[in-house]
Amino acid sequence: ETGVTQTPRHLVMGMTNKKSLKCEQHLGHNAMYWYKQSAKKPLELMFVYSLEERVENNSVPSRFSPECPNSSHLFLHLHTLQPEDSALYLCASSQVVWGYETQYFGPGTRLLVL
Amino acid sequence: RKEVEQDPGPFNVPEGATVAFNCTYSNSASQSFFWYRQDCRKEPKLLMSVYSSGNEDGRFTAQLNRASQYISLLIRDSKLSDSATYLCVVTHMDTGRRALTFGSGTRLQVQP
Repeated sequence: ETGVTQTPRHLVMGMTNKKSLKCEQHLGHNAMYWYKQSAKKPLELMFVYSLEERVENNSVPSRFSPECPNSSHLFLHLHTLQPEDSALYLCASSQVVWGYETQYFGPGTRLLVL
Repeated sequence: RKEVEQDPGPFNVPEGATVAFNCTYSNSASQSFFWYRQDCRKEPKLLMSVYSSGNEDGRFTAQLNRASQYISLLIRDSKLSDSATYLCVVTHMDTGRRALTFGSGTRLQVQP
């Protein structure tokens, strides 16, 4: 239904594992985002790739590492996560025009860290 | 004070009721405003943008009050399918870059 897809949809990992989340947008947008959504908290912006420029939220731990090889693909590499990192990870994309944009979200990856 | 504040609810209303949500924002330089809808265990989806002059889309009306720094969403003739969490989103420029801030959401439960 949406032009933003995410895989996997569900992921269970141990604290010593390394995994990657993938996002792909088919909308021709020029910006992509990673968000974290924890229970009863607002969406937290983690990373932005806009016009090939990376903007970070400095509060995001280094165990999260983004990669944006092109304007259509975005990855979030995970390593040595903690149980409190369990959350819904949402990817979004937008077309930024004159500073104005509307974001479209993927279905999310529900992550459980044991 | 939170950058974007919403009453978490839940708002429990009967079918056919009119319900209104408010959202306040703290940054007077905020530029763009949106309402998103998020169903349980699903991703947020854009409901409507909010324009200075106010705008309407069917049963939904959004308004912006810059002086008081709040936006509102009015839903008329509520349907069972309107049950969801409604997220207020505000954008502004932060050190030359756009920043989007989401509210925590207001939960609406429409009952038969």
